[in-house]
Amino acid sequence: NAGVMQNPRHLVRRRGQEARLRCSPMKGHSHVYWYRQLPEEGLKFMVYLQKENIIDESGMPKERFSAEFPKEGPSILRIQQVVRGDSAAYFCASSPLIASTDTQYFGPGTRLTVL
Amino acid sequence: DQQVKQNSPSLSVQEGRISILNCDYTNSMFDYFLWYKKYPAEGPTFLISISSIKDKNEDGRFTVFLNKSAKHLSLHIVPSQPGDSAVYFCAVFKGGQNFVFGPGTRLSVLP
Repeated sequence: NAGVMQNPRHLVRRRGQEARLRCSPMKGHSHVYWYRQLPEEGLKFMVYLQKENIIDESGMPKERFSAEFPKEGPSILRIQQVVRGDSAAYFCASSPLIASTDTQYFGPGTRLTVL
Repeated sequence: DQQVKQNSPSLSVQEGRISILNCDYTNSMFDYFLWYKKYPAEGPTFLISISSIKDKNEDGRFTVFLNKSAKHLSLHIVPSQPGDSAVYFCAVFKGGQNFVFGPGTRLSVLP
């Protein structure tokens, strides 16, 4: 049973380019969460999605960032016109149930570097 | 406004001794609490959890204690092993909302 998969593991972009981060949840999980970890900081919640729905995007910057979780395929976190401050590790997590005490299972993360 | 605090950014412990990691939260409505361990270049890994109806949960060398009146959570690791060296995050959860993570404590277990 494969765990949460993220790709790419490392992504380098120049300022102004777009970054696309992909997350495939664990089999049977229909809830996906994206977190960002800046250097020397903890995990900050960005967005919570179910299939085809954004449930909570309160942690996501209003501009340049978007997320989707289509009916088929992985969840995508998209950052347009990247800036140096976007350099961070982006983790996604998945869980099987909503509003439950089920644990979130994390992927290995995508490390984004903006030059 | 930090809802979850881990006031010790780092902790060093001798192998075989007890490691105690602490976490404080501000909202008494949180009802589920977890600890995650994170190695460099990897995602966080679930370690142990406790619900608000309990005050202690044990799993092998790991025990989590919850003091609801003090809004305080702690993780005890005994005996500590060098492989326990990692960053430990506490996370809190309220049904219908999202996990809130603390900033982490870096544990170093010295051989």
